[in-house]
Amino acid sequence: NAGVTQTPKFRILKIGQSMTLQCTQDMNHNYMYWYRQDPGMGLKLIYYSVGAGITDKGEVPNGYNVSRSTTEDFPLRLELAAPSQTSVYFCASSLTRDRGRSPLHFGNGTRLTVT
Amino acid sequence: DQQVKQNSPSLSVQEGRISILNCDYTNSMFDYFLWYKKYPAEGPTFLISISSIKDKNEDGRFTVFLNKSAKHLSLHIVPSQPGDSAVYFCAATVLKNSGGSNYKLTFGKGTLLTVNP
Repeated sequence: NAGVTQTPKFRILKIGQSMTLQCTQDMNHNYMYWYRQDPGMGLKLIYYSVGAGITDKGEVPNGYNVSRSTTEDFPLRLELAAPSQTSVYFCASSLTRDRGRSPLHFGNGTRLTVT
Repeated sequence: DQQVKQNSPSLSVQEGRISILNCDYTNSMFDYFLWYKKYPAEGPTFLISISSIKDKNEDGRFTVFLNKSAKHLSLHIVPSQPGDSAVYFCAATVLKNSGGSNYKLTFGKGTLLTVNP
């Protein structure tokens, strides 16, 4: 049972480059999320999706884009990488929107460095 | 503006003793609180939660206490085991008037717990 799988685990980008962080889940969860965790800080929500074809902004969406063409996949796109995007990125999913009965399942993260 | 504060970056306890991790919040609208545990190079995993209508929730060795008047919650681990060594995140959200759905969890910075054998 793989759960939430993120690739790559590590990546170094130069300023201005672009990349896509991949996230896939095999639990048939409708709800998916992208968080970032800066050093010594808590997690902040970037984007979320309530189902295939539906996405919405979280707290810190600037500089990112997402798409949700299938239930399983929720890629995060960085178009013009900036040093401020150096962070660890976590993808998560949940079965329902009920935060009380359906806690988030997280992937193992992608550590991104922009230099 | 930090709405969820974990003021102790780290905590060290002996195996078998009690670990107490603290969390304070400033937003009086928060009505649901969660604790997540994170091992190095892994994602956070859900540990335990509590609704604001309760003041205590217990699950095995883990108990969360909520003091609404003080806007304070704590996670107790008894007895502590070396495998409990991890970063613990406190998180809060507003469920009331959101239809039970609020996609925004506000996380604290985390507390690194080390349990020494």
